[in-house]
Amino acid sequence: SYELTQPPSVSVSPGQTARITCSGDSLPRKYASWYQQKSGQAPVLVIYEDSKRPSGIPERFSGSSSGTMATLTISGAQVEDEADYYCFSTDSNAYHYVFGTGTKVTVL
Amino acid sequence: QVTLKESGPVLVKPTETLTLTCTVSGFSLYNDRMGVSWIRQPPGKALEWLAHILPNDEKSYSASLRSRLTISKDTSKSQVVLTLTNMDPVDTATYYCARATQGIQLAYMDVWGKGTTVTVSS
Repeated sequence: SYELTQPPSVSVSPGQTARITCSGDSLPRKYASWYQQKSGQAPVLVIYEDSKRPSGIPERFSGSSSGTMATLTISGAQVEDEADYYCFSTDSNAYHYVFGTGTKVTVL
Repeated sequence: QVTLKESGPVLVKPTETLTLTCTVSGFSLYNDRMGVSWIRQPPGKALEWLAHILPNDEKSYSASLRSRLTISKDTSKSQVVLTLTNMDPVDTATYYCARATQGIQLAYMDVWGKGTTVTVSS
């Protein structure tokens, strides 16, 4: 079955840039979306179609994709950005949708 | 305001069938770009996508759970129903429904319900 691989954790100091990667064989052909989940809360969409930001999401969140890797970047990370982040996409045939393994972002 | 609300049993016994309902408001399941996805999250673990139903009634299922899952919708009631058969303690999780907006190429979940916790135990 299809898999999306993320680093388990990323740590960053406040005001610095955090980059979270998502690796998958079909990412050259399929868009990724990204979700932020704070402790005890439902996930929130922060990026869709690789790089589009929904209304209400701060500009410090951006997305990109190159080859088999999609990247979520938090520029000038804030303490409130501490959360788990998940990428989401599908295989080339769009049969199997999957979330990535998840990355815990710590800002301190 | 777009909202989704999950409902169903809090506790189910092993081998039973779980039936969850997602009631949506603020958008219509008749909309040609909007469907509903189901996602779950076991305690302390990652999100797991389960299934979605798109506006044209296209249905997709998790590869690992396909044989146990069924998704359906009642557009007139603004509800989407997910059934998961042969429940096991490993199916203990918080179950979320989310609006699946059909994008250029694939759907993304732009509004989520608060989730409902289901425990499987005898």
